[in-house]
Amino acid sequence: SQQGEEDPQALSIQEGENATMNCSYKTSINNLQWYRQNSGRGLVHLILIRSNEREKHSGRLRVTLDTSKKSSSLLITASRAADTASYFCATALTGGGNKLTFGTGTQLKVEL
Amino acid sequence: DVKVTQSSRYLVKRTGEKVFLECVQDMDHENMFWYRQDPGLGLRLIYFSYDVKMKEKGDIPEGYSVSREKKERFSLILESASTNQTSMYLCASGWDRNYEQYFGPGTRLTVT
Repeated sequence: SQQGEEDPQALSIQEGENATMNCSYKTSINNLQWYRQNSGRGLVHLILIRSNEREKHSGRLRVTLDTSKKSSSLLITASRAADTASYFCATALTGGGNKLTFGTGTQLKVEL
Repeated sequence: DVKVTQSSRYLVKRTGEKVFLECVQDMDHENMFWYRQDPGLGLRLIYFSYDVKMKEKGDIPEGYSVSREKKERFSLILESASTNQTSMYLCASGWDRNYEQYFGPGTRLTVT
């Protein structure tokens, strides 16, 4: 079964707007990561947030983590057409070693 | 830059054939992973390896085997390809206790 579930499954916005994606998970984690996948390509790591962190920033990306609610959100500010991609959350489970469990992804489309 | 390469971008095989998918990384990573990606199901872990000649089953190992004879190379083997193994196959690698994974471009396999 999937550990992470992203919401929404698909999101369409205009260039310049902010995009918010959410991820929920089921069990205790060591860290949570977000990846981006352009159509038909491999995944690219965006950001990692550890279980003892609540918020992290990287450029136009802002990630929050609420371990009490077992949820995370990824905010992309001032989106660009080049941000069009699928976004996946992945969790490293406590005691799970280096394995990651991926969610089903959010497809983001940024229109000009 | 970390580079993870996969032997083929596209592959078409017939039912019953033995299929080899090769993955090579150039960053001396201890960990290597094989996933398959299907619409609506996200990425699912098939097998992973923490060291040379070491392998562990992921969530969906049935119908697959792996080989890691050298640290930089991790091969996925479909002993007798079936149509339900038509999918995108993604290889990834990473350092031990670092958690971030680096992905190859993927191999889209079609079994007819």
